[in-house]
Amino acid sequence: DTAVSQTPKYLVTQMGNDKSIKCEQNLGHDTMYWYKQDSKKFLKIMFSYNNKELIINETVPNRFSPKSPDKAHLNLHINSLELGDSAVYFCASSQGANEQFFGPGTRLTVL
Amino acid sequence: SQELEQSPQSLIVQEGKNLTINCTSSKTLYGLYWYKQKYGEGLIFLMMLQKGGEEKSHEKITAKLDEKKQQSSLHITASQPSHAGIYLCGALPTGANSKLTFGKGITLSVRP
Repeated sequence: DTAVSQTPKYLVTQMGNDKSIKCEQNLGHDTMYWYKQDSKKFLKIMFSYNNKELIINETVPNRFSPKSPDKAHLNLHINSLELGDSAVYFCASSQGANEQFFGPGTRLTVL
Repeated sequence: SQELEQSPQSLIVQEGKNLTINCTSSKTLYGLYWYKQKYGEGLIFLMMLQKGGEEKSHEKITAKLDEKKQQSSLHITASQPSHAGIYLCGALPTGANSKLTFGKGITLSVRP
């Protein structure tokens, strides 16, 4: 009965590859997010979707493309991966501006 | 843009001791959130504060938001090893569709 789930948990890939991370929430929330946590543990928002509509799009390279097929899913696709993309990516969801519930994270390592 | 300062940067306490950590905003907040993160895991929601002067408690953790809604403290009573982790405060500035901005976190270690 996991609330916010992400797959995969670990992702190791070569520079230049394209990869996707999936996120699903079963809380019935209307808003979903992607965050990036760098090596210094600093957590920064990347994207936010409300009812499948993009509402926050931070300064993120356009190699990153979120896709929300429905309210319960928000996937993150990354093209042409670079070394600097290595980080832990967290998905989260909330009902409006209420507290956000986070997934377990996906640790991406680009070699 | 919203900036959050957390202090101290890290903290080591003896089990059983009380401790307080802080989160200060450069602007008035719509909401202030406290999360805890254990190494290699996701964030666990602790508490949310929205009203000036508000105080909430859960088990041995108490969070307060000042009247100006710019500063919050998190107090742990009789700390235990299970309290160890990274404590992050997140803030929503005033306004709709605001983005949650996090501080850099405070690493807490509790010595048995």
